[in-house]
Formats: sequence, structure tokens, C-alpha cells
Amino acid sequence: GNSVTQMEGPVTLSEEAFLTINCTYTATGYPSLFWYVQYPGEGLQLLLKATKADDKGSNKGFEATYRKETTSFHLEKGSVQVSDSAVYFCALTPPNAGGTSYGKLTFGQGTILTVHP
Amino acid sequence: GAGVSQSPSNKVTEKGKDVELRCDPISGHTALYWYRQSLGQGLEFLIYFQGNSAPDKSGLPSDRFSAERTGGSVSTLTIQRTQQEDSAVYLCASSLVAGDYYEQYFGPGTRLTVT
Repeated sequence: GNSVTQMEGPVTLSEEAFLTINCTYTATGYPSLFWYVQYPGEGLQLLLKATKADDKGSNKGFEATYRKETTSFHLEKGSVQVSDSAVYFCALTPPNAGGTSYGKLTFGQGTILTVHP
Repeated sequence: GAGVSQSPSNKVTEKGKDVELRCDPISGHTALYWYRQSLGQGLEFLIYFQGNSAPDKSGLPSDRFSAERTGGSVSTLTIQRTQQEDSAVYLCASSLVAGDYYEQYFGPGTRLTVT
């Protein structure tokens, strides 16, 4: 079946540090890949996505590149801020037999990020 | 505009009781999803609606769980004879159309505690 594995957390960084959260996946065919973020007290929201191999998703200074050869979608940010403290979820949607997806998300376990001033 | 809303925000119930959780999607969104977030299982898919139909119910954990959607809008997730392992945060999401190119917007969730 389809699955997503994220690096264990929690991750604690100082402001302006470089962030990497590793994500690897197992899926049949070519899934679409996503990063979602859950800020304290708020609902899940889409951070970025990539729908085909070698695509790079980016938003709010975060980036992730769809690597088919390593089945990975690692999240990176060059300089984190205190406001980036949140839980980050890597997720995928698989293509169905017809090659189109209806958006059913399979999530990783989540990584808690805490950024200190 | 208004986002996805869910009610109640918190529900405490006794083991064996039935509960109903409500989701109001964003107006005009045809696709609606239910997920569950629990400590043991993480975030997992439960059911998906396109309009009022549920083409994929594969994530419902048991036949105690059911869901419906009416008028292509409001959805209700019903859990019968609740068990302690049903304790979780139940999330609803909607999107304009089902598919990867359309962002899913999540509600704030309903935290269910079964005592």
C-alpha cells in the first residue's frame, strides 16, 4: 500500500537556522506530494505541493523537490523564524487506475518544529 | 469568506453512546473528505464524498461508523456505540473539485473523547 515516512521529531532550532525535514514515500505509480502545516491552535493548511517528478514546490520560503529516484520530498528552509513553529505533515495522493486522483491524502506521522529566538 | 466549519468543537461522551459530528464545507465545494487524527494512528483518511455520493468509504474503521452528505453541502459523521479507541480529533476538508490540483481546506476539527 501507499505510505509516507517522516523524520522523527521534535526538531528544535534557533532562529535563522537551516531547516530540513526528511520525507520518503512508498507508492505505486506517480503520486502527487504535499507538505501541510498545522500552526498552534489552527487547522491544517497546505504549505506546498509537487505533482510530478523533478517538480519543486515552494511557499513562504519553504521548498521541496519531488525526487522519483530516491522516492523523497524533503522540506527545506534556509532561515527559520519563530513563527514557523508548527507541526509539519508530508502527504501523498496516489493516482487511481484511470490516472487521475480524487485527492485522498495519506499522511506521514508529523514532525513538531520549535524555533527559539 | 467563510472557511470549513465543524461542530461541536469538543465532545465528551460515555462509552456505548452514539455521536454525530457535523461538517459545513466551503460553499460551492463539491468534494468533501473526513480524516481522523489520533495519537496511535496519526492522520488517516476515513471517507470521501463527491456531491452526495461516497465513492470511497475504505477508511471507515468499522460498521459503527457511517457518514452522509445532503444537498451537496453539509456532512454528518455518525459513530454508533462509541468505544474508547474512537477518541480522536475528527477533521473535515473540502475542495472545489476532487483532485490533486485543487487544494483541500481543512476545518478546525472536532475533538471526541470517549470515557
